[in-house]
Amino acid sequence: DTEVTQTPKHLVMGMTNKKSLKCEQHMGHRAMYWYKQKAKKPPELMFVYSYEKLSINESVPSRFSPECPNSSLLNLHLHALQPEDSALYLCASSQEGTPQHFGDGTRLSIL
Amino acid sequence: GIQVEQSPPDLILQEGANSTLRCNFSDSVNNLQWFHQNPWGQLINLFYIPSGTKQNGRLSATTVATERYSLLYISSSQTTDSGVYFCAVTQAGTALIFGKGTTLSVSS
Repeated sequence: DTEVTQTPKHLVMGMTNKKSLKCEQHMGHRAMYWYKQKAKKPPELMFVYSYEKLSINESVPSRFSPECPNSSLLNLHLHALQPEDSALYLCASSQEGTPQHFGDGTRLSIL
Repeated sequence: GIQVEQSPPDLILQEGANSTLRCNFSDSVNNLQWFHQNPWGQLINLFYIPSGTKQNGRLSATTVATERYSLLYISSSQTTDSGVYFCAVTQAGTALIFGKGTTLSVSS
C-alpha cells in the first residue's frame, strides 16, 4: 500500500539520540495507528489516534511519544531507546467500515 | 480479548500448486482483512472480507462469520507469492488484532 507514506525507510540511532518517524495519508481517514513488528512476529498495536486525539495507548513506554499535528499527519518521537526497540514500525490509517491501509514501514536499528 | 488463530504456520509448495490458508477467530468481528507481507516487510492488503466471498485473480477468500472462520485460497502459486500471510480482525472500536501468520515458501 503506497497511499500511506512513511519516512524515513531506514533509521539507525544511538541510545542517546532523539529522532522522529513520520507518516502521512491523504485519503481523508480519521483514524491513524502506529504498530511495532519484531522479526517473525505479527504487528502489535502501539497507539491509535481518532479525529486527531489519542484514543488508545497500549501501555507503550514513555520513550515513544506520538503526535498527530493534523488529520493527515502522524509522528512518533523517539528518545533514549533501548536495543530491544529495534523493529519495523508501521503506520496505518482507516475510516469506519473500510480496510486499514499500511505504509511500507520504517526499519529502526538502535546501536 | 479476541483470539485469532492461523493454520498452517508454515507451508512449502512447488510452483503451480494450490493452497488453502485458514483463520479462526474466537468472537464476532466487524472487520476481517487478509494481508501478504513480502520479504521487504511491505504489508499488502489482499482482501477486506468481514463476510462472503471475494476473488482477485489467482486469490480468493471466503469468510463465514457465523462460524467464525475465514479461508484464503491461492491457486497456481508463483515464487512471488512467498512471504507471510496474516489474517487480522477488529471488533467495534478496536484496532486490528493479527494472527501469528502463515509463512509460505514457493519454489520453482
